[in-house]
Order: sequence, then structure tokens, then C-alpha cells
Amino acid sequence: GQSLEQPSEVTAVEGAIVQINCTYQTSGFYGLSWYQQHDGGAPTFLSYNALDGLEETGRFSSFLSRSDSYGYLLLQELQMKDSASYFCAVRKGGGKLIFGQGTELSVKP
Amino acid sequence: GAVVSQHPSWVICKSGTSVKIECRSLDFQATTMFWYRQFPKQSLMLMATSNEGSKATYEQGVEKDKFLINHASLTLSTLTVTSAHPEDSSFYICSARDEAGTQYFGPGTRLTVL
Repeated sequence: GQSLEQPSEVTAVEGAIVQINCTYQTSGFYGLSWYQQHDGGAPTFLSYNALDGLEETGRFSSFLSRSDSYGYLLLQELQMKDSASYFCAVRKGGGKLIFGQGTELSVKP
Repeated sequence: GAVVSQHPSWVICKSGTSVKIECRSLDFQATTMFWYRQFPKQSLMLMATSNEGSKATYEQGVEKDKFLINHASLTLSTLTVTSAHPEDSSFYICSARDEAGTQYFGPGTRLTVL
């Protein structure tokens, strides 16, 4: 089978740094993606790691360790608008995405 | 950037009726589109992979006769929920994959079955 584990919720204050972890068990792994979703909206692509290491895109960074089946999303300089659900998703063959359960991030003033 | 649209954005129907949801890639050709379902406060669950000109591939546990998928062109895939029941009420999201392999998500369709 396949499974992805991520925390259900995280709370942080404006300006802080938060890390959302994701562990996965799957076959046919091509890479790990991260998506942001605001209430009632579509998922928005944030980052993708196919190889081990850190990918940085502005305030967001994502890390992958294939040997540990582990990745994380790092959000820096948190803003109120970052309050949303964050999903890790394993990319499999043919472009299929298998999503984790999501982490609800609440940013407080 | 690439845009994917869905129509309708929301629909309310009576139990037993069928509902068709369209997914269009507006500025690129998508040989592959995906359909997801998301219940409140839950994850996106992949329902099926739709390939242009061929039959859709359904994930385990998804009834192909209930969720009819047609991908007649490189920019359009449709999902028809047949004989909808209240338990089919959900947020249905499509995504379209471009030639580079990047997936773009549609805005979703909220289906409510009374």
C-alpha cells in the first residue's frame, strides 16, 4: 500500500518560521510535491523535490531525503495570509499525485 | 501561467439525477487530466486518470459506471456523476498535466445532492 503522514495542524505567530514534516511509504516514487489550499479553493503548487536536498523558492523551502522517505516544507517570515492547509503529495508514474491528509496552519498575530 | 477551468463551480441536484462537470485547459494541451474528490477537512483523493482518446483509468474503489469520464479532446475532460446520491456530495477537482509534466488544478466544483 501507500501512505503519507503529516501533522494535522500547526499554529505559529506572524514572522516566525514553521516546518511541516511529511513521511511517506509508497512504491514507484518519482518525487515529493507540496501544495497550499485555502478554504474552498483549488490546491496551489508550491514546490517539488525529485532529488535529495533543499529547494528554495522565496519564503518557502522544501527538503527531501529519499533514503529516509521524509520531506518537509519550511515557511519563513510567516504572514497571516499563509493560514491555509498544506499537503504533501507523492508523484508517481504517469504524473499521478497521492496526497497526504493535510496540515492546517494557523498564523496568529 | 497555465489556467484550468471547471464548470460549473457549484451545483445542487436532486438524488437520482446525473451531473456533468467539465474541466478545460485554457492555454495548453493536456494529454492527461486527473479527477480528485475532496470531502470537508480531508485530503484530495485521486479518482481516475483521464487520457485523451482512451478509456480512463480508475483508482481502486472508484466505480467506473458511476463516475463516467470522457476525454474527447486535448483541452477537455468531463466527469459525469450518474444517479447521484447525498453521499456523492463533495468537492470535485480536476488537474491537467502539460507536456513538461507540471500539473495545474482547476478551481473545483462543489456538488450538493439533496
